[in-house]
Amino acid sequence: DAGVIQSPRHEVTEMGQEVTLRCKPISGHDYLFWYRQTMMRGLELLIYFNNNVPIDDSGMPEDRFSAKMPNASFSTLKIQPSEPRDSAVYFCASSFWQSSYNEQFFGPGTRLTVL
Amino acid sequence: GIQVEQSPPDLILQEGANSTLRCNFSDSVNNLQWFHQNPWGQLINLFYIPSGTKQNGRLSATTVATERYSLLYISSSQTTDSGVYFCAVDHTDKLIFGTGTRLQVFP
Repeated sequence: DAGVIQSPRHEVTEMGQEVTLRCKPISGHDYLFWYRQTMMRGLELLIYFNNNVPIDDSGMPEDRFSAKMPNASFSTLKIQPSEPRDSAVYFCASSFWQSSYNEQFFGPGTRLTVL
Repeated sequence: GIQVEQSPPDLILQEGANSTLRCNFSDSVNNLQWFHQNPWGQLINLFYIPSGTKQNGRLSATTVATERYSLLYISSSQTTDSGVYFCAVDHTDKLIFGTGTRLQVFP
């Protein structure tokens, strides 16, 4: 299996622009997670989905952030408008709980820089 | 919420040395994972270990869930072991990460 795939790997944008991050989970996994990693706050869970349905979005920082999962093989995390404080590494992870309870596998991350 | 504490925060070793990393957590958990974040930022799964002991080459891990801690052992360390080691616990279906142990291995 190719593992969790994320794109782009790096994104540099200007404040106020819309940013869309993409994730393809491991085939067959039924849970998908979005995390953000910063030096100050470490790894934070933003939102997670089960069978394409958002279960908990309590970690989404504010209304500028939105996430969707239109099908089992694709998810997006969108920031609109972006701000410099959104600069971070964003990780996507997936898991298959019937195999091992919430054992998560992470993608390579997207490093976002907002100027 | 649950607290996950890792120690030591930083560790410097010479190649060939052994080390033990510790993860303490403040409440019962459904599972526990150890990850290695390499210098390129990638999070690599090391162990899925809600309880008991597992070994994988030079690495092994032990979780004592009743006493709320886990240990990661690295033997005969190599420079490629450098990076940050995270433990993460599943509490109410969310993975909560510790602050990590930064390991530097010098030749």
